[in-house]
Amino acid sequence: DAKTTQPTSMDCAEGRAANLPCNHSTISGNEYVYWYRQIHSQGPQYIIHGLKNNETNEMASLIITEDRKSSTLILPHATLRDTAVYYCIVRAYSGGGADGLTFGKGTHLIIQP
Amino acid sequence: NAGVMQNPRHLVRRRGQEARLRCSPMKGHSHVYWYRQLPEEGLKFMVYLQKENIIDESGMPKERFSAEFPKEGPSILRIQQVVRGDSAAYFCASSPTTSSGNTIYFGEGSWLTVV
Repeated sequence: DAKTTQPTSMDCAEGRAANLPCNHSTISGNEYVYWYRQIHSQGPQYIIHGLKNNETNEMASLIITEDRKSSTLILPHATLRDTAVYYCIVRAYSGGGADGLTFGKGTHLIIQP
Repeated sequence: NAGVMQNPRHLVRRRGQEARLRCSPMKGHSHVYWYRQLPEEGLKFMVYLQKENIIDESGMPKERFSAEFPKEGPSILRIQQVVRGDSAAYFCASSPTTSSGNTIYFGEGSWLTVV
């Protein structure tokens, strides 16, 4: 079973910041938080990952709470092409195999024009 | 740097035929994963391979499914005697071997339709 809890769906207006929450209250010390997204009929796309510090790249920012029990993925200026299912996954950094990535149901983010 | 390459992108097979799905990992990656996504369902892990070795096949159906990752060439997911329930998207992913980072990257998938 997935170790994360995400809202089933969210709407966001085009051009605004999209903030996607994720709860991972049972995360352990050696587990990272990974975010992927899947646009309809495409393969999952890696977005970002982090351990305890906030992270930013060209796609998004990841904010992890101090106790690491939850995080938020931020898409700063959402576009229609950001409409997708977003998956929050906890994973041991040395992981491979079956616990490499366990996908839950994710959040269906819909960007409204 | 080319991404994970999968082919064919779309495959149609009649019940009872064999399906072979191929995956070339990203350059420098020697870890390969296969996932399956049934219609309107989530991604499910099937198998994890390194060159010439199956590391974890806990997600593979017990019968008709097999996977390999030979020393040379792509990884192959083979489904024998396909049934309609095998219709799904099959995604391959790869990751590097170095300890400095093993983010998993996915291909665009192979869509199998069994008629």
